[in-house]
Parts: sequence; structure tokens; C-alpha cells
Amino acid sequence: DVKVTQSSRYLVKRTGEKVFLECVQDMDHENMFWYRQDPGLGLRLIYFSYDVKMKEKGDIPEGYSVSREKKERFSLILESASTNQTSMYLCASSPTGVTEAFFGQGTRLTVV
Amino acid sequence: QKEVEQNSGPLSVPEGAIASLNCTYSDRGSQSFFWYRQYSGKSPELIMSIYSNGDKEDGRFTAQLNKASQYVSLLIRDSQPSDSATYLCAVNKEDDYKLSFGAGTTVTVRA
Repeated sequence: DVKVTQSSRYLVKRTGEKVFLECVQDMDHENMFWYRQDPGLGLRLIYFSYDVKMKEKGDIPEGYSVSREKKERFSLILESASTNQTSMYLCASSPTGVTEAFFGQGTRLTVV
Repeated sequence: QKEVEQNSGPLSVPEGAIASLNCTYSDRGSQSFFWYRQYSGKSPELIMSIYSNGDKEDGRFTAQLNKASQYVSLLIRDSQPSDSATYLCAVNKEDDYKLSFGAGTTVTVRA
């Protein structure tokens, strides 16, 4: 089974903190993605990566950055957390080619 | 216009009935189509994928694709209370690694 693991299930952070969300996949997938999910808005793509050290902006990259130093690990960084970044964050991975994505269990982040 | 639009729910169906979920997409270059199920508080899980026009059946689930009409649907036959969840339609284009998701349709199956 494909395993995508996010480092935390729940996080509470203060406004202005630098926040790291970690994601690891064990299936040697080339592509990795970070989404956020908000009620009524569905899943929105923040950043994605199709190879080590490669990254591309998604639909809502503002306020976020990413790092992919190893193939299996994709990190999302909130440079200075704000309350409007309170959300469910979902990491996903997929192999090369047109195919489905597999999701981690999600991290519910609350910024106070 | 949103890239992927789903019929707004919630959709309530009695146990044993057919639940019908619809999805339209804007990009004619879209090649791959997926349905994900998401239980409350959980992450999405893939339940169906479809790549060519027509029907694809998997157990109680049938996906239907019509590229000319830019329309994909999901039928859930003999609906069970365990089918109560939000169903997400996802689409990607050939040679595009990204999935675009609809906002989801919440289905409630009444016992």
C-alpha cells in the first residue's frame, strides 16, 4: 500500500511563528503536492514538486514556501503564520504520468 | 468559470437507492478523471478513475464520462449508510501533474 505520512495530525501555532509541515512518502513517487482544504472551497493547490529540488507554484502560493531535498520528503513552510492560514493541509504524491494522487492523513493547523 | 464544478449538495438518499453525482470541467484537454471519497475529518481516498468515454463499473460504483459534453458522473447503487461522505471530482490534463478538484458533494444515506 502507498503510504503518505504527515508529521502532525493537529497543530496549534501563534501568529507570526514560522511553521513547518512535513510529508514523507514511501513509494518512490516523483510528484508531490501540498493542498489546503477549507469548507465550501474544496482543495486548493499551494505548491507541487515533480522532482528533487524542483518546485512550482500552485493556485495559492502566497505566504508559503516549500522544500524538497530528498525524493521522499516534501515540506511546506509558513514563513509567518497568520490566522487566515488556519486550515486542513493535505499532502499527496503520485508517480510520473497521468495517474491518481494518494493523500496523507492531513494536518489540521490552527493559528491563534 | 471554475475548472471543475460539482452539483451542490447536500444530497440525501434513502438506503438502497441510487445516488447520482455530477461533475463538469472546463478544459477540453483534460484526460484523466477521478472520484475521491472523503469521510468527515479524514483525507480523500480514491474510489474510481476513468480515462475514456463510456461507463466504468466497480462493485456498486459506476463512473460515466462524456468528453464531448465535458461531463463526468458517479452513480452509487444500493446506497448504504457507510456511503455517507463527501465525494470529490478531480481532473487533470495530459502531461500535467496537477489535479484540479471540485468543491465536493456531500451525500447522506438515510437508514
